[in-house]
Amino acid sequence: KAGVTQTPRYLIKTRGQQVTLSCSPISGHRSVSWYQQTPGQGLQFLFEYFSETQRNKGNFPGRFSGRQFSNSRSEMNVSTLELGDSALYLCASGRTGDRADTQYFGPGTRLTVL
Amino acid sequence: QQQVKQSPQSLIVQKGGISIINCAYENTAFDYFPWYQQFPGKGPALLIAIRPDVSEKKEGRFTISFNKSAKQFSLHIMDSQPGDSATYFCAAQSHGAGSYQLTFGKGTKLSVIP
Repeated sequence: KAGVTQTPRYLIKTRGQQVTLSCSPISGHRSVSWYQQTPGQGLQFLFEYFSETQRNKGNFPGRFSGRQFSNSRSEMNVSTLELGDSALYLCASGRTGDRADTQYFGPGTRLTVL
Repeated sequence: QQQVKQSPQSLIVQKGGISIINCAYENTAFDYFPWYQQFPGKGPALLIAIRPDVSEKKEGRFTISFNKSAKQFSLHIMDSQPGDSATYFCAAQSHGAGSYQLTFGKGTKLSVIP
């Protein structure tokens, strides 16, 4: 069974640009969550989608947005990039989206903002 | 602000020794506590998880101890091996609104030396 895949794996952008990251969950999984990982702040929750609906959003500015498609694949978008957006962006999928449902993480997309 | 505090930041253990990582939380609504293991270049992977209705859970060489009254939980790695060298994150999930969100500790980098 294939795991969570994220594309691209590495990305370099400049300040002010926008970026779209993609996540394909494990087949049959309906929940997709996004997390930002930085050395200083650790792993921080961005948002979670279930059946194409955003159920929860973390404490990030509106420049961070996402969506989920009918096949459960998800994208997140960051507009007007800032240097501080440089991070590893992780996607996690869950089968049921219920409490205590195991979340399986992808390898992440390493975003560097110059 | 929901928080999970994790210590130590880094840990060096001799092969065959016991590695102990501690976490403390504030939000009494947390009721699911997973531990994740992350190797360089990989996403976090679920290691073991516990609910607060049990005080201890063991899976192989990994044990979680849970103290509900103190709002603390810890991971013990028995007979630590060089292959256990990784970053370990404790996390917590609540049963309230947005319950699918994981709140992570800042991580502990474990190095097991031969």
